[in-house]
Amino acid sequence: AQSVTQLDSQVPVFEEAPVELRCNYSSSVSVYLFWYVQYPNQGLQLLLKYLSGSTLVESINGFEAEFNKSQTSFHLRKPSVHISDTAEYFCAVSDHSGGYQKVTFGIGTKLQVIP
Amino acid sequence: DVKVTQSSRYLVKRTGEKVFLECVQDMDHENMFWYRQDPGLGLRLIYFSYDVKMKEKGDIPEGYSVSREKKERFSLILESASTNQTSMYLCASSTTGYGYTFGSGTRLTVV
Repeated sequence: AQSVTQLDSQVPVFEEAPVELRCNYSSSVSVYLFWYVQYPNQGLQLLLKYLSGSTLVESINGFEAEFNKSQTSFHLRKPSVHISDTAEYFCAVSDHSGGYQKVTFGIGTKLQVIP
Repeated sequence: DVKVTQSSRYLVKRTGEKVFLECVQDMDHENMFWYRQDPGLGLRLIYFSYDVKMKEKGDIPEGYSVSREKKERFSLILESASTNQTSMYLCASSTTGYGYTFGSGTRLTVV
């Protein structure tokens, strides 16, 4: 079985400051890792993903995440946040041992950017 | 872009009613999923389907059923709605290895 832990339920940060949202996972097999973002009253959108290859992955809006296999982590970072980054962020993991993909989500971290 | 369309954004139903939530995707994805989202609990998988007429129970299937008669459509059915089924319902689709594409969600209130 796989699981995801997001250690922080809420993270307040001032605008233009850096932020890190933490995610740890557990799985007995190789995994795919994802970060999703949810803006108020909307569905989830895929922010970035790690499937294989380079352990550092980036999104188009300045977020990045690094897959650390030894620490079973996939923390999300941004060097300078903007008001528009206020949202809830979900880390997710799936294994690729089966023919279909079942994804397990963390409980989410609410990022509040303060002007 | 792949689109996943959920038929209603907001829905209010009475206790005991049979409720249908519809989801349609337009990119020929094999896999489709229904989640419910509640504060402090994150997303919990209700049912999923990896092929037409196939369905698998997720983590919380009690009180729900699903139907997938066509590849693009995956319906969630609340057989007899109860107040504890008040929630945000999210549909998603995927093809293996590429992550999920979510619909905008249906916020269901059962009174």
